[in-house]
Amino acid sequence: RKEVEQDPGPFNVPEGATVAFNCTYSNSASQSFFWYRQDCRKEPKLLMSVYSSGNEDGRFTAQLNRASQYISLLIRDSKLSDSATYLCVVNGNTGFQKLVFGTGTRLLVSP
Amino acid sequence: ETGVTQSPTHLIKTRGQQVTLRCSSQSGHNTVSWYQQALGQGPQFIFQYYREEENGRGNFPPRFSGLQFPNYSSELNVNALELDDSALYLCASGSGGVYGYTFGSGTRLTVV
Repeated sequence: RKEVEQDPGPFNVPEGATVAFNCTYSNSASQSFFWYRQDCRKEPKLLMSVYSSGNEDGRFTAQLNRASQYISLLIRDSKLSDSATYLCVVNGNTGFQKLVFGTGTRLLVSP
Repeated sequence: ETGVTQSPTHLIKTRGQQVTLRCSSQSGHNTVSWYQQALGQGPQFIFQYYREEENGRGNFPPRFSGLQFPNYSSELNVNALELDDSALYLCASGSGGVYGYTFGSGTRLTVV
């Protein structure tokens, strides 16, 4: 079983749609959780950290469920520029800072 | 613009050769990590350096080695290159915790 599992997609949605991505992680001792965005052939960029209380940044809302070891990302009012791969990332809490990435979920927003 | 810079941006090597990739971390960051991203996969942790010492390693063979210098810049060395080493190599620096890490734009290595 992979440490971080995501649906690879692609998710094809029209502009203005709401789309949700989920991922699960296996290490219950993990301490930090993130969503990164990666455009084609570019480096991953931090989109937002994820907290149990949930957090929102404009059109983006992230949620962590520690009991279920489940992380979600909701994108409202999708824009063409949201088309990218969204990587679910967990800090492995191995005594050093090791980020464990899912394979990513590809989002395609069409006009 | 990212504060983490990597060089070179692209590289083509022959199987069996050795390669050195370089990274200049963001100012003030004393931790640098290296990741390998194969096509269609998420980045995989190679190792991490903190104050010039390796303090964590992923499931990569010893032919993957590194250095961190007093100015916190870093090198990734790969010996005896194999075709499967073809990937995007990413360097990341940061303070960790809930702040995550900043990635450089990567070096795309092709082994032929």
